[in-house]
Amino acid sequence: KQEVTQIPAALSVPEGENLVLNCSFTDSAIYNLQWFRQDPGKGLTSLLLIQSSQREQTSGRLNASLDKSSGRSTLYIAASQPGDSATYLCAVLPYSSASKIIFGSGTRLSIRP
Amino acid sequence: ETGVTQSPTHLIKTRGQQVTLRCSSQSGHNTVSWYQQALGQGPQFIFQYYREEENGRGNFPPRFSGLQFPNYSSELNVNALELDDSALYLCASSLAGTGGVEKLFFGSGTQLSVL
Repeated sequence: KQEVTQIPAALSVPEGENLVLNCSFTDSAIYNLQWFRQDPGKGLTSLLLIQSSQREQTSGRLNASLDKSSGRSTLYIAASQPGDSATYLCAVLPYSSASKIIFGSGTRLSIRP
Repeated sequence: ETGVTQSPTHLIKTRGQQVTLRCSSQSGHNTVSWYQQALGQGPQFIFQYYREEENGRGNFPPRFSGLQFPNYSSELNVNALELDDSALYLCASSLAGTGGVEKLFFGSGTQLSVL
Protein backbone atom coordinates (compact mmCIF):
# COMPACT_ATOMS: atom_id res chain seq x y z
CA LYS A 1 0.00 0.00 0.00
CA GLN A 2 1.44 3.33 -1.08
CA GLU A 3 2.10 5.81 1.71
CA VAL A 4 3.39 9.36 1.36
CA THR A 5 5.15 11.06 4.24
CA GLN A 6 6.23 14.66 4.64
CA ILE A 7 8.62 15.74 7.36
CA PRO A 8 8.65 18.14 9.10
CA ALA A 9 4.96 18.90 9.61
CA ALA A 10 5.81 22.56 10.18
CA LEU A 11 8.78 24.79 9.43
CA SER A 12 9.53 28.43 10.23
CA VAL A 13 12.48 30.25 8.65
CA PRO A 14 13.52 33.91 8.24
CA GLU A 15 12.94 35.67 4.96
CA GLY A 16 15.66 35.24 2.36
CA GLU A 17 16.74 31.75 3.32
CA ASN A 18 16.91 28.88 0.87
CA LEU A 19 15.00 25.86 2.13
CA VAL A 20 14.19 22.26 1.28
CA LEU A 21 10.95 20.40 1.89
CA ASN A 22 11.00 16.61 1.92
CA CYS A 23 8.60 13.98 0.67
CA SER A 24 9.01 10.20 0.80
CA PHE A 25 6.88 7.43 -0.67
CA THR A 26 6.93 3.70 -0.07
CA ASP A 27 6.30 2.29 -3.58
CA SER A 28 8.41 3.46 -6.52
CA ALA A 29 5.83 2.28 -9.09
CA ILE A 30 4.43 5.73 -9.84
CA TYR A 31 3.43 7.64 -12.97
CA ASN A 32 4.34 11.02 -11.54
CA LEU A 33 4.77 13.13 -8.44
CA GLN A 34 3.28 16.59 -7.95
CA TRP A 35 3.94 19.38 -5.49
CA PHE A 36 1.02 21.57 -4.50
CA ARG A 37 0.62 24.73 -2.47
CA GLN A 38 -2.43 25.31 -0.25
CA ASP A 39 -3.34 28.55 1.46
CA PRO A 40 -5.53 28.30 4.61
CA GLY A 41 -9.08 27.18 3.80
CA LYS A 42 -8.37 27.20 0.07
CA GLY A 43 -7.92 24.73 -2.73
CA LEU A 44 -4.63 23.40 -4.04
CA THR A 45 -2.42 25.03 -6.64
CA SER A 46 -0.17 22.74 -8.66
CA LEU A 47 3.43 23.97 -8.50
CA LEU A 48 5.45 21.31 -10.27
CA LEU A 49 4.76 17.91 -11.82
CA ILE A 50 7.58 15.43 -12.36
CA GLN A 51 6.93 12.46 -14.62
CA SER A 52 8.46 9.15 -13.53
CA SER A 53 11.07 9.35 -16.30
CA GLN A 54 12.25 12.79 -15.16
CA ARG A 55 14.67 13.74 -12.40
CA GLU A 56 13.65 17.33 -11.74
CA GLN A 57 11.48 20.25 -12.72
CA THR A 58 12.04 23.97 -12.21
CA SER A 59 9.70 26.94 -12.09
CA GLY A 60 11.09 30.30 -11.04
CA ARG A 61 12.48 30.01 -7.51
CA LEU A 62 11.18 26.45 -7.14
CA ASN A 63 13.00 23.27 -8.02
CA ALA A 64 11.65 19.79 -7.41
CA SER A 65 13.66 16.61 -7.68
CA LEU A 66 12.57 12.99 -7.88
CA ASP A 67 14.55 9.88 -6.94
CA LYS A 68 12.24 6.94 -7.54
CA SER A 69 14.74 4.31 -6.43
CA SER A 70 14.98 5.80 -2.95
CA GLY A 71 11.34 6.90 -2.84
CA ARG A 72 12.16 10.54 -2.26
CA SER A 73 11.38 13.96 -3.61
CA THR A 74 12.51 17.37 -2.49
CA LEU A 75 11.11 20.84 -3.15
CA TYR A 76 13.77 23.53 -3.04
CA ILE A 77 12.66 27.14 -2.52
CA ALA A 78 15.28 29.78 -3.18
CA ALA A 79 15.34 33.19 -1.51
CA SER A 80 12.16 32.63 0.49
CA GLN A 81 9.61 35.42 0.85
CA PRO A 82 6.73 35.96 3.31
CA GLY A 83 4.33 35.28 0.44
CA ASP A 84 5.69 31.73 0.28
CA SER A 85 4.00 30.99 3.61
CA ALA A 86 1.51 28.18 2.99
CA THR A 87 1.13 24.42 3.32
CA TYR A 88 3.04 22.42 0.71
CA LEU A 89 1.75 18.98 -0.22
CA CYS A 90 3.30 16.31 -2.35
CA ALA A 91 1.25 13.65 -4.10
CA VAL A 92 2.01 10.55 -6.16
CA LEU A 93 0.00 8.80 -8.85
CA PRO A 94 0.63 5.06 -8.46
CA TYR A 95 0.60 2.46 -11.24
CA SER A 96 -1.71 0.35 -9.10
CA SER A 97 -4.54 2.84 -9.54
CA ALA A 98 -4.13 5.39 -12.29
CA SER A 99 -6.93 7.56 -10.96
CA LYS A 100 -6.14 7.66 -7.25
CA ILE A 101 -3.60 10.31 -6.33
CA ILE A 102 -2.17 9.81 -2.85
CA PHE A 103 -1.23 12.87 -0.83
CA GLY A 104 1.10 13.44 2.06
CA SER A 105 -0.15 15.43 5.06
CA GLY A 106 1.86 18.48 4.06
CA THR A 107 4.48 20.78 5.52
CA ARG A 108 3.17 24.06 6.93
CA LEU A 109 5.76 26.69 6.00
CA SER A 110 6.03 30.08 7.69
CA ILE A 111 8.47 32.71 6.41
CA ARG A 112 9.27 35.35 9.04
CA PRO A 113 9.81 38.92 7.71
CA GLU B 1 -7.40 31.07 -11.01
CA THR B 2 -7.71 27.45 -12.11
CA GLY B 3 -11.05 27.73 -13.90
CA VAL B 4 -12.55 25.11 -11.57
CA THR B 5 -15.49 26.42 -9.55
CA GLN B 6 -17.22 24.78 -6.62
CA SER B 7 -20.48 25.61 -4.92
CA PRO B 8 -21.43 26.32 -2.28
CA THR B 9 -18.29 27.57 -0.53
CA HIS B 10 -19.60 26.79 2.94
CA LEU B 11 -22.40 24.56 4.17
CA ILE B 12 -23.79 23.57 7.56
CA LYS B 13 -25.87 20.42 7.90
CA THR B 14 -27.10 18.26 10.74
CA ARG B 15 -26.38 14.58 11.25
CA GLY B 16 -28.54 12.33 9.09
CA GLN B 17 -29.21 14.91 6.39
CA GLN B 18 -28.17 14.67 2.76
CA VAL B 19 -25.95 17.10 0.86
CA THR B 20 -25.07 17.81 -2.78
CA LEU B 21 -21.87 19.61 -3.73
CA ARG B 22 -21.23 20.91 -7.23
CA CYS B 23 -18.17 21.39 -9.41
CA SER B 24 -17.63 22.98 -12.82
CA SER B 25 -14.45 21.74 -14.42
CA GLN B 26 -11.98 23.77 -16.41
CA SER B 27 -12.95 24.21 -20.04
CA GLY B 28 -11.86 21.23 -22.14
CA HIS B 29 -11.20 18.93 -19.19
CA ASN B 30 -12.97 15.57 -19.29
CA THR B 31 -12.02 14.14 -15.90
CA VAL B 32 -13.19 15.18 -12.45
CA SER B 33 -11.91 13.86 -9.13
CA TRP B 34 -13.30 14.50 -5.65
CA TYR B 35 -11.27 14.63 -2.46
CA GLN B 36 -12.06 14.96 1.23
CA GLN B 37 -9.62 16.92 3.37
CA ALA B 38 -9.91 16.81 7.13
CA LEU B 39 -8.28 19.58 9.14
CA GLY B 40 -4.50 19.20 9.21
CA GLN B 41 -4.50 16.25 6.81
CA GLY B 42 -3.79 15.73 3.14
CA PRO B 43 -6.72 15.23 0.77
CA GLN B 44 -8.16 11.71 0.56
CA PHE B 45 -9.38 10.42 -2.81
CA ILE B 46 -13.14 9.77 -2.93
CA PHE B 47 -13.70 8.93 -6.61
CA GLN B 48 -13.06 10.04 -10.16
CA TYR B 49 -15.32 10.44 -13.17
CA TYR B 50 -14.16 10.21 -16.77
CA ARG B 51 -16.63 10.91 -19.55
CA GLU B 52 -19.61 10.41 -17.21
CA GLU B 53 -18.43 7.04 -15.87
CA GLU B 54 -16.90 6.32 -12.47
CA ASN B 55 -13.21 5.61 -13.06
CA GLY B 56 -11.83 4.67 -9.68
CA ARG B 57 -12.96 4.94 -6.08
CA GLY B 58 -11.23 5.35 -2.74
CA ASN B 59 -12.15 3.85 0.62
CA PHE B 60 -15.44 5.66 1.10
CA PRO B 61 -18.81 4.02 1.85
CA PRO B 62 -21.62 3.86 -0.75
CA ARG B 63 -23.41 6.81 0.85
CA PHE B 64 -20.82 8.90 -1.01
CA SER B 65 -21.97 8.96 -4.62
CA GLY B 66 -21.36 11.12 -7.65
CA LEU B 67 -22.39 12.12 -11.12
CA GLN B 68 -20.70 13.67 -14.11
CA PHE B 69 -22.76 15.46 -16.73
CA PRO B 70 -22.23 15.73 -20.52
CA ASN B 71 -20.62 19.16 -20.04
CA TYR B 72 -18.19 17.43 -17.61
CA SER B 73 -19.47 19.26 -14.54
CA SER B 74 -19.95 17.02 -11.52
CA GLU B 75 -21.85 16.50 -8.30
CA LEU B 76 -20.87 14.81 -5.06
CA ASN B 77 -23.77 13.51 -2.98
CA VAL B 78 -23.46 12.37 0.61
CA ASN B 79 -26.39 10.66 2.33
CA ALA B 80 -26.97 10.08 6.05
CA LEU B 81 -24.35 12.64 7.09
CA GLU B 82 -22.13 11.82 10.05
CA LEU B 83 -20.12 14.16 12.25
CA ASP B 84 -16.88 12.80 10.74
CA ASP B 85 -18.00 13.98 7.31
CA SER B 86 -17.11 17.51 8.37
CA ALA B 87 -14.24 18.48 6.07
CA LEU B 88 -13.15 20.52 3.08
CA TYR B 89 -14.35 18.83 -0.11
CA LEU B 90 -12.18 19.51 -3.12
CA CYS B 91 -12.89 18.95 -6.77
CA ALA B 92 -10.10 18.66 -9.33
CA SER B 93 -10.31 18.55 -13.09
CA SER B 94 -7.83 17.27 -15.62
CA LEU B 95 -7.53 16.24 -19.23
CA ALA B 96 -6.64 12.59 -19.37
CA GLY B 97 -7.36 9.35 -21.15
CA THR B 98 -7.87 6.83 -18.39
CA GLY B 99 -6.41 8.51 -15.36
CA GLY B 100 -5.03 11.64 -13.79
CA VAL B 101 -1.67 11.47 -15.52
CA GLU B 102 -1.94 15.12 -16.42
CA LYS B 103 -1.79 18.02 -14.01
CA LEU B 104 -4.72 18.45 -11.65
CA PHE B 105 -6.45 21.78 -11.32
CA PHE B 106 -8.31 22.23 -8.04
CA GLY B 107 -11.27 24.35 -7.08
CA SER B 108 -11.32 26.32 -3.83
CA GLY B 109 -13.43 23.69 -2.10
CA THR B 110 -16.64 23.44 -0.13
CA GLN B 111 -16.28 23.56 3.65
CA LEU B 112 -18.91 21.22 5.09
CA SER B 113 -19.76 21.28 8.77
CA VAL B 114 -21.99 18.56 10.20
CA LEU B 115 -23.55 19.34 13.58
